[in-house]
Amino acid sequence: DVKVTQSSRYLVKRTGEKVFLECVQDMDHENMFWYRQDPGLGLRLIYFSYDVKMKEKGDIPEGYSVSREKKERFSLILESASTNQTSMYLCASSPPRINYGYTFGSGTRLTVV
Amino acid sequence: AQTVTQSQPEMSVQEAETVTLSCTYDTSESNYYLFWYKQPPSRQMILVIRQEAYKQQNATENRFSVNFQKAAKSFSLKISDSQLGDTAMYFCAFMKDGAGSYQLTFGKGTKLSVIP
Repeated sequence: DVKVTQSSRYLVKRTGEKVFLECVQDMDHENMFWYRQDPGLGLRLIYFSYDVKMKEKGDIPEGYSVSREKKERFSLILESASTNQTSMYLCASSPPRINYGYTFGSGTRLTVV
Repeated sequence: AQTVTQSQPEMSVQEAETVTLSCTYDTSESNYYLFWYKQPPSRQMILVIRQEAYKQQNATENRFSVNFQKAAKSFSLKISDSQLGDTAMYFCAFMKDGAGSYQLTFGKGTKLSVIP
């Protein structure tokens, strides 16, 4: 069964901490994505990557960065966590021709206190 | 830029009944794809159904079907014989076709509750 695995299901961090959210896929997909999900706002794209070491900003990249050193792994980094970054974070991947949609991970619920 | 609108934040349906979730979108593209995703309480987003804009025939997947009206930019999801396991958030999503196209644009979601 193909999978996108997010390393943590729940995470609590303090304001100002550097936070890493990890995502690994085992489908040899080229494309990987980080979305943020908030009630009433749906899913909003933070960053995506279409190849190793390549990254593109999505709709809400401010306060975030990403790293993709290996094809299977895509990390989301909060350089200095703030309370307004408390949210659900969803990772997804897709093959190059993505018109069949994404495969999603189970999400990380991050709380910044 | 594309936008996707789901006008029903919450809906409920009796078990075994039929329910329709609405979705409209705005785009100037002629070739694109539309999706419905389901997110149950377990949080795993699952693809329910997919429609190619160049196909006039409405997509169906078992109890799930869509009513795709390209001119009206409407893409509703019909769930027949609703089951308790259909309780979930449902998201409509749009993706344009073509080289360099990567992004799915999502609506804000409809929370569906199936009542026993």
